[in-house]
Amino acid sequence: DSGVTQTPKHLITATGQRVTLRCSPRSGDLSVYWYQQSLDQGLQFLIQYYNGEERAKGNILERFSAQQFPDLHSELNLSSLELGDSALYFCASSVGSLNTEAFFGQGTRLTVV
Amino acid sequence: DAKTTQPNSMESNEEEPVHLPCNHSTISGTDYIHWYRQLPSQGPEYVIHGLTSNVNNRMASLAIAEDRKSSTLILHRATLRDAAVYYCILRGGGSNYKLTFGKGTLLTVNP
Repeated sequence: DSGVTQTPKHLITATGQRVTLRCSPRSGDLSVYWYQQSLDQGLQFLIQYYNGEERAKGNILERFSAQQFPDLHSELNLSSLELGDSALYFCASSVGSLNTEAFFGQGTRLTVV
Repeated sequence: DAKTTQPNSMESNEEEPVHLPCNHSTISGTDYIHWYRQLPSQGPEYVIHGLTSNVNNRMASLAIAEDRKSSTLILHRATLRDAAVYYCILRGGGSNYKLTFGKGTLLTVNP
C-alpha cells in the first residue's frame, strides 16, 4: 500500500459525459501529479500541483482540468469524453523535492463507451 | 526534459543477477537519476535513486558512471515478482519535480 488513495477504481461512462477522479495523497506530501496511461501512449504526465498551486503542465487536453484543495486532495475533471480517453489514470504524491520518491496510487480505470 | 535510452526488453533467469542499463548523455548537473518499475496492473513503484554515488537499498543497487552519462540498475537475485517494466528517469530542472516516463525496459524472469 503506497498510501495514495484513488477513487473510484473503475468508471464506465458514455461519450460526451463528464467525470471526476479523486486522489488523496500520502499524509504530509505537498505535491500531487496526474498521469494517463493508455496502451499505445505509455505513461503520460498530465499536470502537477504543489501545495494548492499548479506547478507543471504536460500533455493535458483543454477538456481536462484539475485542482488541489486546501486539505491537499486533488481532483481531475474530464469532460466531453471521447472513446480515446479510455485509459488508466494514476495519481502520485511526493514531499516535493528532487531527492525523494514519488508514491503512486493504484489508478482509476476509465472506460468510455 | 533530458532524455534516457533503455533497451526495450531483457530476459533473466530466476535467482540470477540482472543488470538493467540506461543511457542519459544529456544529463545536467542537478538531475537525479530515478528508477521506477511497474508490475502488471499496478501503479509505478519507486525502486531507487541517486545523484553521483552508487546507491544500495533493500530492493536494488544503482551504479552511476563517473561522467553520469549512464547508469545501471542491479537486481542481485531476480525473482518472478521482479518481472515488470523498469523506467529510468531523470528528475530535475526547476521546482516542479515531475517524473517523465519513457518506454522503459520490459524485464522477463524465467523460472
